[in-house]
Amino acid sequence: KNEVEQSPQNLTAQEGEFITINCSYSVGISALHWLQQHPGGGIVSLFMLSSGKKKHGRLIATINIQEKHSSLHITASHPRDSAVYICAVRGMETSGSRLTFGEGTQLTVNP
Amino acid sequence: NAGVTQTPKFRILKIGQSMTLQCAQDMNHNYMYWYRQDPGMGLKLIYYSVGAGITDKGEVPNGYNVSRSTTEDFPLRLELAAPSQTSVYFCASKPPGLAGGGDTQYFGPGTRLTVL
Repeated sequence: KNEVEQSPQNLTAQEGEFITINCSYSVGISALHWLQQHPGGGIVSLFMLSSGKKKHGRLIATINIQEKHSSLHITASHPRDSAVYICAVRGMETSGSRLTFGEGTQLTVNP
Repeated sequence: NAGVTQTPKFRILKIGQSMTLQCAQDMNHNYMYWYRQDPGMGLKLIYYSVGAGITDKGEVPNGYNVSRSTTEDFPLRLELAAPSQTSVYFCASKPPGLAGGGDTQYFGPGTRLTVL
C-alpha cells in the first residue's frame, strides 16, 4: 500500500462542474502539497497545507490532519484545468524536506 | 531568473552507454532533487542534496550518481544505461527553511530518456 493514495485516478467533467480530488496518507506529516502537471509535462506547486484550508482563485485545498485526508476542489471547471493533479506529503521526521508523491489524478474537462 | 533548467530535453541511449543529465538553478536554493516519473506512477526520488558538497540517496538510487560542487548545479550521471532507466527525469530545487512558502519545490521542464 502506498503512503499516499489519490482518488479518483481519472476524472472527466463537463465545463462548469465542481470537481473534487481526494488524497489520503498513512504517515504523520508536517505538510501536504498539491501540484499540477500540465499536458506538456511541466510541474508547478499549487498549495502547501499544514492545517485548515487555502484558496487561490477557483482552487480550494483542505486538510484534515486527524483523518489523514486532503481534498482539492475546483469550482466552475474549465478545459484549461485539464492536467494531472498530484498530492505529496512531507513526513514528520524526513531529512532534506523530502516529499512522497501520490500517483496523480488525470483530470479532463470537456467544453 | 531562468528558474530550474534541464538539458537535454530528449535523449535516446543504447544499452550500456553513459550520459549526464544537467540541472541548474539560479535562485540560490540550497536544496536540490532528482526524480524519475514512470507512466502511471508517482514521482520517485533518486538523489537529493541539501547544499554544495552534500548529497544523499533517495528511494531509487541504483544505477545513478550525482555530484554537487556548486550551489547552482546538480548533474545526474547514468553510467551503464539499462532499459529500466527509460523514464522522464525531473530536477527540482527549494530554498532552505519551511516558513513563507519555503517548502515549495520548483521543478525543471524534465528530460525524456529512452534506453534501447
